[in-house]
Amino acid sequence: NAGVTQTPKFQVLKTGQSMTLQCAQDMNHNSMYWYRQDPGMGLRLIYYSASEGTTDKGEVPNGYNVSRLNKREFSLRLESAAPSQTSVYFCASLVHGGGELFFGEGSRLTVL
Amino acid sequence: QKEVEQNSGPLSVPEGAIASLNCTYSDRGSQSFFWYRQYSGKSPELIMSIYSNGDKEDGRFTAQLNKASQYVSLLIRDSQPSDSATYLCAVNPKFGNQFYFGTGTSLTVIP
Repeated sequence: NAGVTQTPKFQVLKTGQSMTLQCAQDMNHNSMYWYRQDPGMGLRLIYYSASEGTTDKGEVPNGYNVSRLNKREFSLRLESAAPSQTSVYFCASLVHGGGELFFGEGSRLTVL
Repeated sequence: QKEVEQNSGPLSVPEGAIASLNCTYSDRGSQSFFWYRQYSGKSPELIMSIYSNGDKEDGRFTAQLNKASQYVSLLIRDSQPSDSATYLCAVNPKFGNQFYFGTGTSLTVIP
């Protein structure tokens, strides 16, 4: 049982490049989330998807796009990376009817 | 004003002592509250959830909720070096789908 799987785990980009972070969960959860974590800033919600086919903006959506491909997969895309997007990105999924978020291992992104 | 506020610490306690971590939140209608532990370089993991006023105990951990004061705390009794981590407070307003996290409190337990 893998839980929440994120790829890639590490990535270095140059300013202006694009990339997609992939996330998949095998727990049949309805809701999925993308957070970023920066020193001193805690976890900040970028986008979330309450169910397949729906997505909503969180606190810091600018510069990002998301796709809820199916119930299992929720991807985060950076169209034109900026140094301010250097961060650790966490994908999470939510137990239906409960409050526990299950997190992936994180993706460490550096934009030069 | 941030949705969830925590003292960032760092907090240091000797082994065997009680560690007290505090959190306040701004949305008075918030319904559910969580404490996550995050070891350095790892992802957060849930250690406690609390939904009603009062105390909730689970082993060495006690969560306390006071909705009138908009205050949540976590007590760790008999602190162990393995408890050294960052503790994140999270709040789910009105059973919606968004979870707001505090910036975390760094705890070090000194052997």
